[in-house]
Amino acid sequence: AQSVTQLDSQVPVFEEAPVELRCNYSSSVSVYLFWYVQYPNQGLQLLLKYLSGSTLVKGINGFEAEFNKSQTSFHLRKPSVHISDTAEYFCAVSGNYGGSQGNLIFGKGTKLSVKP
Amino acid sequence: NAGVTQTPKFRILKIGQSMTLQCAQDMNHNYMYWYRQDPGMGLKLIYYSVGAGITDKGEVPNGYNVSRSTTEDFPLRLELAAPSQTSVYFCASSSAPGPPRGYTFGSGTRLTVV
Repeated sequence: AQSVTQLDSQVPVFEEAPVELRCNYSSSVSVYLFWYVQYPNQGLQLLLKYLSGSTLVKGINGFEAEFNKSQTSFHLRKPSVHISDTAEYFCAVSGNYGGSQGNLIFGKGTKLSVKP
Repeated sequence: NAGVTQTPKFRILKIGQSMTLQCAQDMNHNYMYWYRQDPGMGLKLIYYSVGAGITDKGEVPNGYNVSRSTTEDFPLRLELAAPSQTSVYFCASSSAPGPPRGYTFGSGTRLTVV
C-alpha cells in the first residue's frame, strides 16, 4: 500500500527566505506525485505534479519540486517566499497501475507561515 | 467558470439529523471523490466513483452513502449525523483514462454536528 509522510507539520519562515517542505512516500509501484496548496478557507489547488521524465518539476507561484526515486522523496522548494505563500501544503501520491481509479493518497499537510 | 461546485458552504446539524452534501462538475470527468479533512490529519477518502452508476468505498465510509446517477453529480448523504462527522468535506473530480492530471477540488462544505 502506498503512503505519504510530510515530515514537518509547521514551517515558520521569514519573508524572502528560501523554504523546503519535505515529503517522503512509500510505494511498490511506479508513482505519480503531486503537491497541492490550500489557502485559508479555500479548496485545494494543484501546485505541480511529477508524472515522468525530468525529475525537477516546476509549478505555479515559483515553486519547484524534485523527484528522488532512490530516497523516495518529493520535496517542495521555493528560493524566496512571500507573505502570500502562507498556506497549508499537501503532498499526494497516486499509483501508476492500469485500470485503477487513480486515487490520491494525501499526506497530513505542512502549514507554511511566512512572517514579515 | 468550469469546475466543481459544492453546496452548501456551511451547515450546522443536530445529532441524529440527516443531510445531503451536493457536488456537481461540468468538465465531463468520469472520476469523482469525496474527502473529509480534519485538522492535522490531511484528507481521508470517503467514497469515490469511476462513472455513472459505479461507486465504491474509500478509507472512511462508515456513516455515509453516495449515489452517482449522472456523470455530473455525486451527492454525499449523512443519515444519522454524529459529532465525529464534524469536518470539512471536499468533493473532487478527475479525467480518465491515462496519466492522472490531478484532481479539481470544490471549495468545500464546513459541517458542524452539535
